[in-house]
Amino acid sequence: ETGVTQSPTHLIKTRGQQVTLRCSSQSGHNTVSWYQQALGQGPQFIFQYYREEENGRGNFPPRFSGLQFPNYSSELNVNALELDDSALYLCASSLLGEQFFGPGTRLTVL
Amino acid sequence: GENVEQHPSTLSVQEGDSAVIKCTYSDSASNYFPWYKQELGKRPQLIIDIRSNVGEKKDQRIAVTLNKTAKHFSLHITETQPEDSAVYFCAASIKGSQGNLIFGKGTKLSVKP
Repeated sequence: ETGVTQSPTHLIKTRGQQVTLRCSSQSGHNTVSWYQQALGQGPQFIFQYYREEENGRGNFPPRFSGLQFPNYSSELNVNALELDDSALYLCASSLLGEQFFGPGTRLTVL
Repeated sequence: GENVEQHPSTLSVQEGDSAVIKCTYSDSASNYFPWYKQELGKRPQLIIDIRSNVGEKKDQRIAVTLNKTAKHFSLHITETQPEDSAVYFCAASIKGSQGNLIFGKGTKLSVKP
């Protein structure tokens, strides 16, 4: 298993609420990427952070935002939750390109 | 926009046979191509990757080939075992950045004993 951890494991929210998901990078990794994986689909790139700056963004609306901290841990924030936001949210940390995934947070929006 | 097509969506083989999964990508700037294995309820695990300056890479029973001209890359698993059963995803880097990946839709591989 990788050293990437995520919290919480599972989360249930209602439509319109806000959520914060957390990710701790593998030791020494300065880059964190976030992905959304819907059931039966491949992960979809949300955005990436490198040394606390956003370094690329996928096709997701501005209500998806993030942060990276000096210790390279990261947060994904989603505002105004919609039913379609229900998915597994994965973070991946990397140093030289190879990305290693955390176990994910399963978000259910009711 | 950038796209990665993956085929087949499901693949069933007998133990000991070979399995081949193929992907095509659209972004000519892509230069990094990893493959991930995801077992049910678990995280995607990197199993092999290839960079654009290499045509083939092998690691024990797993090999990956890359044809940059045709924008094709493939995963080859030889001597399949039941524990190879999982969903396999190919991915390609976006706009030449190794850190931002676009994934295929996955191939569910079943290896029958």
